[in-house]
Amino acid sequence: GENVEQHPSTLSVQEGDSAVIKCTYSDSASNYFPWYKQELGKGPQLIIDIRSNVGEKKDQRIAVTLNKTAKHFSLHITETQPEDSAVYFCAASISSNTGKLIFGQGTTLQVKP
Amino acid sequence: DVKVTQSSRYLVKRTGEKVFLECVQDMDHENMFWYRQDPGLGLRLIYFSYDVKMKEKGDIPEGYSVSREKKERFSLILESASTNQTSMYLCAGRRALQETQYFGPGTRLLVL
Repeated sequence: GENVEQHPSTLSVQEGDSAVIKCTYSDSASNYFPWYKQELGKGPQLIIDIRSNVGEKKDQRIAVTLNKTAKHFSLHITETQPEDSAVYFCAASISSNTGKLIFGQGTTLQVKP
Repeated sequence: DVKVTQSSRYLVKRTGEKVFLECVQDMDHENMFWYRQDPGLGLRLIYFSYDVKMKEKGDIPEGYSVSREKKERFSLILESASTNQTSMYLCAGRRALQETQYFGPGTRLLVL
């Protein structure tokens, strides 16, 4: 079955710097790749997603890139702010029918003021 | 606003107890999911449900069962709680054929 590996497990940056989190997946049939952000005491919340027919997607300070050949995708956060501090999860999905997501291990991002 | 609620934020149970974790969504979502979250392991799917009275095993169903008698409610049952089931449990809902899953705040379960 699908397996998703996420790196790094922790990431500390200075406010204003960029942060990059990387994920690799094993099943080439995966076609949907969301990123979720989990703030302290809350459930994960979708922040951006990308489908396999697109190489890059941006939404203000966040962007996701996908390399289908290499089977990896990355989250890029520019001009980081303290409120970006959270746990970030990548995920991959094969079937929109079931909605089943395979999540990565998570990255704890700390943005230092 | 989208809302998924879980019955308890924190729960302490004894080994061998039967434990019920309740999840309610008010978004008319067909699909519902139960995950457990452990450090270094991310979120792992326990069970999911396509619709009322329907359920499918996820990746780690052993020791768990589920019930979905009404569309808005999805219950996770630990038949005989064990210490290795100490974890954070997250419920999510999703409209059929739409991608976004909406998560509840989680229940942190401690089994002593």
